[in-house]
Amino acid sequence: ETGVTQTPRHLVMGMTNKKSLKCEQHLGHNAMYWYKQSAKKPLELMFVYNFKEQTENNSVPSRFSPECPNSSHLFLHLHTLQPEDSALYLCASSWGGGDEQFFGPGTRLTVL
Amino acid sequence: SQQGEEDPQALSIQEGENATMNCSYKTSINNLQWYRQNSGRGLVHLILIRSNEREKHSGRLRVTLDTSKKSSSLLITASRAADTASYFCATRTGANNLFFGTGTRLTVIP
Repeated sequence: ETGVTQTPRHLVMGMTNKKSLKCEQHLGHNAMYWYKQSAKKPLELMFVYNFKEQTENNSVPSRFSPECPNSSHLFLHLHTLQPEDSALYLCASSWGGGDEQFFGPGTRLTVL
Repeated sequence: SQQGEEDPQALSIQEGENATMNCSYKTSINNLQWYRQNSGRGLVHLILIRSNEREKHSGRLRVTLDTSKKSSSLLITASRAADTASYFCATRTGANNLFFGTGTRLTVIP
């Protein structure tokens, strides 16, 4: 795997639950990203953080709440999700500038 | 949309054959990247080609870029069973972010 870790790897939650996804990068990068990958759809960019500051929010519903306490850690807080939110959630990091991104293994989320 | 579109959606070949995947995009780009994803895992960066480059090689990979046609191709030579994966192109415009396509699912039969 790359130097980007994600936990948990699998998560099953009910629509009323609150859970959090965690991402950590050990590469010294300054930019971190959350993506959603659903079957037969392009990878959807959700949030971008540069030096801990959110620089992009692609019209993501408020039931997804990101948090970036430092350049190495990124969280995605989940609450009152819908079944259509079931997907693979991928975290990535980079030096910024839009060049090579390093991805974590993803969290497979199932919302019942 | 800025995202790339890969073609074909799925490709099945015998081990040892070459595999070619294509990517088309709609806006001017700064660079184009190819990534591989094994089933249910994260993406792995393969190769980056800048807008002023026309061809690039890395091991068994060859990437071409035609900015006039807004298209790119990825060639994998002498394919192996381990090359079985989904392959995505991603375009970067002037902003920092990458825009991915839906991918080509490659199956290499031993």
